[in-house]
Amino acid sequence: GEDVEQSLFLSVREGDSSVINCTYTDSSSTYLYWYKQEPGAGLQLLTYIFSNMDMKQDQRLTVLLNKKDKHLSLRIADTQTGDSAIYFCAEKDEKLTFGTGTRLTIIP
Amino acid sequence: DVKVTQSSRYLVKRTGEKVFLECVQDMDHENMFWYRQDPGLGLRLIYFSYDVKMKEKGDIPEGYSVSREKKERFSLILESASTNQTSMYLCASSATDRSNQPQHFGDGTRLSIL
Repeated sequence: GEDVEQSLFLSVREGDSSVINCTYTDSSSTYLYWYKQEPGAGLQLLTYIFSNMDMKQDQRLTVLLNKKDKHLSLRIADTQTGDSAIYFCAEKDEKLTFGTGTRLTIIP
Repeated sequence: DVKVTQSSRYLVKRTGEKVFLECVQDMDHENMFWYRQDPGLGLRLIYFSYDVKMKEKGDIPEGYSVSREKKERFSLILESASTNQTSMYLCASSATDRSNQPQHFGDGTRLSIL
């Protein structure tokens, strides 16, 4: 079956850039997503990228997709304390498959 | 804005009880989903539904059933709760795919089985 992998933890200093990485196995993915989960809440869609794109930028967020290596990344510029959360990548073929989530901690 | 509402944020039940988790969406979405979220495992799909009275098994359906009597409501049922069903349960909905229709999530129900 499909598999999506992420590192479990990432710590970044406030003001630096955060880069969260994700690898997946399904070569038939059509869309890839980044969701954010704040404490005690559900998942909030942050951004997504179509599989024939290499990059998508949305304000402080940059998504990079290397389809050959099946590697997806989310870069958050000028990381703030409000960015502390768990970030999930997900790939979509017939259904949505989620990674394990990366807990982003901001160091003051 | 899409609103997906789960009836309880926290729930405590006993082993062997029948447990109902309710989810309602207000955007006339055709598709609804139930996931459970466990640390280090991400989200795993339990059941989903593409239409009223229709249900499909996800990746981990054992010990669960679902009901979709109305389009806006999707219920998850634990027939006889067990301690290994202690988890965070997330409901999601989406419109039928013509292009990209992302899933929208509720705030989750944290269920503890004692």
